[in-house]
Order: sequence, then structure tokens, then C-alpha cells
Amino acid sequence: QVQLQESGPGLVKPLQTLSLSCNVSGASVTSGSYYWSWIRQPAGERLEWIGQVYTSGSTIYSPSLRSRATVSLDTSKNQVFLTVTSVTAADTAVYYCARSVTPHGGLDYWGLGTLVTVSS
Amino acid sequence: DIQMTQSPSSLSASVGDRVILTCRASQSVNKYLSWYQLRPGKAPKLLIYATSSLQSGVPSRFSGGTSETGFTLTISDLQPDDFATYYCQQTYSPPWTFGQGTRVEVK
Repeated sequence: QVQLQESGPGLVKPLQTLSLSCNVSGASVTSGSYYWSWIRQPAGERLEWIGQVYTSGSTIYSPSLRSRATVSLDTSKNQVFLTVTSVTAADTAVYYCARSVTPHGGLDYWGLGTLVTVSS
Repeated sequence: DIQMTQSPSSLSASVGDRVILTCRASQSVNKYLSWYQLRPGKAPKLLIYATSSLQSGVPSRFSGGTSETGFTLTISDLQPDDFATYYCQQTYSPPWTFGQGTRVEVK
């Protein structure tokens, strides 16, 4: 059974860097053809896709974060990482990691999400 | 970016009802449309992918399709666990985008 679990600091100060990890069990982040995405949802708003990394390490991102986001893999820990630089209050959201098995497929496994608040 | 619009924003229904949720894209997304169920305290759940393919393990009362107004998610014989918020997502052209959601509430 594939399981994803996000973790990271719940509170980040403005202009600092937000760093989250997604621990993956039941699947390898590097062996197999998987796409690992990060999605976020501010309170009362729609889901927003941030970016994804393929098993090979290739990435694509949403232009909305203006190159502030980086998605990467840690093969030794079987984890997916997200960093967002220069955060503001607008980055306050529940952050999810998720997996898809094809480039245009649905996201078949998600984590429970982790709330990140940007505040001084 | 492709804009996704869902309707209605919310609806009230009873157990046993049949409900139809609609999602419209601002441009063609081919067949690359998925539906998700979000419930508080639960991981989001993929219901339908590629417009009409039922994700493994999802009850057959959920079905996806198309209509004159766009893409549809039909829930037949609504069950207590189905009261939730539903989102559509296109994965045709990045950035993948979601609709604003439809909340299905108890009447």
C-alpha cells in the first residue's frame, strides 16, 4: 500500500524559505515511472498545483510561483522535497504531495497534507 | 493557463439521491480530466481519471462523462460518506489546474 506523509515546520517567517518533505512508503521515488507533485490549498480557495518531479529528476513548475519553488527527490530517504523561497502571507496553505503514474494522469495517492502558516 | 469552472458551487442532497456535478474548461483539455473527493481529515481521493475511467477501489456509483456543458461527475445513490467537496483537474497542458470545487451538503 502506497502511503505519503508530508512534514515540515508549521510556521515560517516572511521572506524566509519554506521547506517540506514527503515521506513515501510502498513505492520507490526513483525506480518505476512515477510523477511526484506538490499541491497547495489556501483556506477557502481552490487547489493549486505547484510542480512535479519525474523519477528521472526532470521537473516542471507552475509559472504562478515565479521560479520560487523547487521540487526534488532524495533517493537515500525515499522522499520528495519542496522548497519555496521568499515566502509571504499568500503562501499560507495546506500543502499536499501526491503521485501520478502517467504524465497526464490523475493523482492516485495523496498525503494528508500539512498546514504552513507564514507569519512573523 | 487553462481555467476550470465548476457548477454548482454547492448543492444540498439526501442519501439515495442522484447528483450531477459539472466542470467546464476554458479551452480543450482533450480527455485529460480527473475528479477528486476531499473530506476534512482525509487524504484527497482520486475518483475518475481520463474523463470516464473509474479509479481502482472507487464505488461504481461514481461515474464520469461529458455533456453539452462540459465534463460531468455523477454520483448515483448518494451515501453518507459522499458528502464532501469535489474538484475537477485538467492535466492536458501544464500548469495542471483545478476547478473551484463543488460542495455536496446534507439537505
